[in-house]
Amino acid sequence: AQSVTQLDSQVPVFEEAPVELRCNYSSSVSVYLFWYVQYPNQGLQLLLKYLSGSTLVKGINGFEAEFNKSQTSFHLRKPSVHISDTAEYFCAVSDLWPSNFGNEKLTFGTGTRLTIIP
Amino acid sequence: DAGVTQSPTHLIKTRGQQVTLRCSPKSGHDTVSWYQQALGQGPQFIFQYYEEEERQRGNFPDRFSGHQFPNYSSELNVNALLLGDSALYLCASSLLTSGGGYGYTFGSGTRLTVV
Repeated sequence: AQSVTQLDSQVPVFEEAPVELRCNYSSSVSVYLFWYVQYPNQGLQLLLKYLSGSTLVKGINGFEAEFNKSQTSFHLRKPSVHISDTAEYFCAVSDLWPSNFGNEKLTFGTGTRLTIIP
Repeated sequence: DAGVTQSPTHLIKTRGQQVTLRCSPKSGHDTVSWYQQALGQGPQFIFQYYEEEERQRGNFPDRFSGHQFPNYSSELNVNALLLGDSALYLCASSLLTSGGGYGYTFGSGTRLTVV
């Protein structure tokens, strides 16, 4: 069974400072990896995804993530945060088994609440 | 282009009652998945529908059932509601044969409160 661990439940960061949100996963098969953002009282919006190829993935709103297979990690980073980045961030993994279509169920971490301090 | 539409946005039910939640997928998508997000938790997979059949199911009891219609829209039904069923229910649509490359598009959810 696959699982996702987000090591930090809350991360406070000063505006314009860099941030890293950590994510580790476990799976016995190849996976797709995702980061989603959830603003208050809204659904989930896809920030970025790793499917294959370059391990450094760039997403929307200036976010990027790096896939590290040996450490089974997929940490999210942004060099300079803004007030508007205040939200809940979820890391998710999708197995490529059984159909290899990739549209298998998503397993989410428990989320990291990012709070930007003015 | 409309994204994923869920209705209602909020509702309150009494323990033991039954509830039906509805979802219209994004145009061009053929697969609908449902997730339950309890307060302070990540979403948990309930089940996925494709071609009007349940394709995958998570660890949820049979009280949770669903349906997909020929126009790809979907319903989630929960019988014999428990207090623990209070959560945000998210619908996500996707295109099955996209190879996962496009991920899912999520709706804004239905907030269910059981009293």
